[in-house]
Amino acid sequence: DQQVKQNSPSLSVQEGRISILNCDYTNSMFDYFLWYKKYPAEGPTFLISISSIKDKNEDGRFTVFLNKSAKHLSLHIVPSQPGDSAVYFCAASTPWGGGYQKVTFGTGTKLQVIP
Amino acid sequence: NAGVTQTPKFQVLKTGQSMTLQCAQDMNHEYMSWYRQDPGMGLRLIHYSVGAGITDQGEVPNGYNVSRSTTEDFPLRLLSAAPSQTSVYFCASSTLGSTDTQYFGPGTRLTVL
Repeated sequence: DQQVKQNSPSLSVQEGRISILNCDYTNSMFDYFLWYKKYPAEGPTFLISISSIKDKNEDGRFTVFLNKSAKHLSLHIVPSQPGDSAVYFCAASTPWGGGYQKVTFGTGTKLQVIP
Repeated sequence: NAGVTQTPKFQVLKTGQSMTLQCAQDMNHEYMSWYRQDPGMGLRLIHYSVGAGITDQGEVPNGYNVSRSTTEDFPLRLLSAAPSQTSVYFCASSTLGSTDTQYFGPGTRLTVL
């Protein structure tokens, strides 16, 4: 049962344009949402996050939008740069026994930014 | 700081062989975890630990063992390798208060023939 879904395995965007990566989730108990970025031959790195009590969080060229009623999350990259080419994982977390968060990852979307 | 380190980077095993994937972190993180990444499946949690001497199972623990004798090290043991265990394995760590924002190692690509 895939609780966090990224339905687009890949996305190509021209340099300078906007990249929009989408993510859907099914578990209403998720209270924190994150995006990780992964380059080839490297581990994922944390990019940006948003709490379930917010609908938008911005960090430079990266903005994450949360639509709780639709259970939908998106990452906007403006403007897109060739160095943004990577696999992006959507993730969601929920409180777990012991006071820490359990993270569930999506399947990833491979973004290619074309110069 | 080296962050999270994993060895080896690549490994080929024959069915039935055993081996240990090494993971170490130098950030004094209490929480450590092992994930496997398979095409179309995302990152799936194998085992995790919230401190030395404390480990627990994740989503896909079968065929793997872990132990945590020190804060720094969290090795993953494959008891009897199977082709279904062909995957990329990532170790990660974090503080207990931020287990959703983890630091990942570079991964080990394992092929089981």
